[in-house]
Amino acid sequence: DSGVTQTPKHLITATGQRVTLRCSPRSGDLSVYWYQQSLDQGLQFLIQYYNGEERAKGNILERFSAQQFPDLHSELNLSSLELGDSALYFCASSVGVSPQETQYFGPGTRLLVL
Amino acid sequence: TQLLEQSPQFLSIQEGENLTVYCNSSSVFSSLQWYRQEPGEGPVLLVTVVTGGEVKKLKRLTFQFGDARKDSSLHITAAQPGDTGLYLCAGGDNAGNMLTFGGGTRLMVKP
Repeated sequence: DSGVTQTPKHLITATGQRVTLRCSPRSGDLSVYWYQQSLDQGLQFLIQYYNGEERAKGNILERFSAQQFPDLHSELNLSSLELGDSALYFCASSVGVSPQETQYFGPGTRLLVL
Repeated sequence: TQLLEQSPQFLSIQEGENLTVYCNSSSVFSSLQWYRQEPGEGPVLLVTVVTGGEVKKLKRLTFQFGDARKDSSLHITAAQPGDTGLYLCAGGDNAGNMLTFGGGTRLMVKP
């Protein structure tokens, strides 16, 4: 158990819909990272928040957005969903701001868009 | 865009055999990390190497960072079924902004 929790574990929805994925970081960790893992693209960095502020952006689509709340939990919002958005979405957390510190990954949310 | 290529993509071996997994790039990375991911779980960090030529050992696992910090290898001695999983390398960019992950090596160790 990494100490990072993600909900829901599984999500099935239809194209065009909007979903929200939730992540609670380890106690004391200020950084939250979101990743997408698909069979053809591998594990891709989406976005990082540090202490409530957006810190770095990766290959995140404009249809996707995220935020980190004052209690440090984070949400990833995916809208206008397409079939290709079906993937595993991981959240990770770390103590400080550098992504090269140890990142602790949650168990992931498996999203299926039909 | 920095890319990391891992080879082989798939590896199926018998218990007790040795194996090496490679992680290569044309870009220089400030650090290189190796993760293992088991089905239904998130990746778990195994090691971080930061100095060119650095070698780290973790029990039967040996990690090496290339002299030019463009490549890395993971060697497993006397593999065990518990080593089965997806091995991912990840490079830290020099700006310190993000990790770039390789495509992974899926290892199966048969008893």
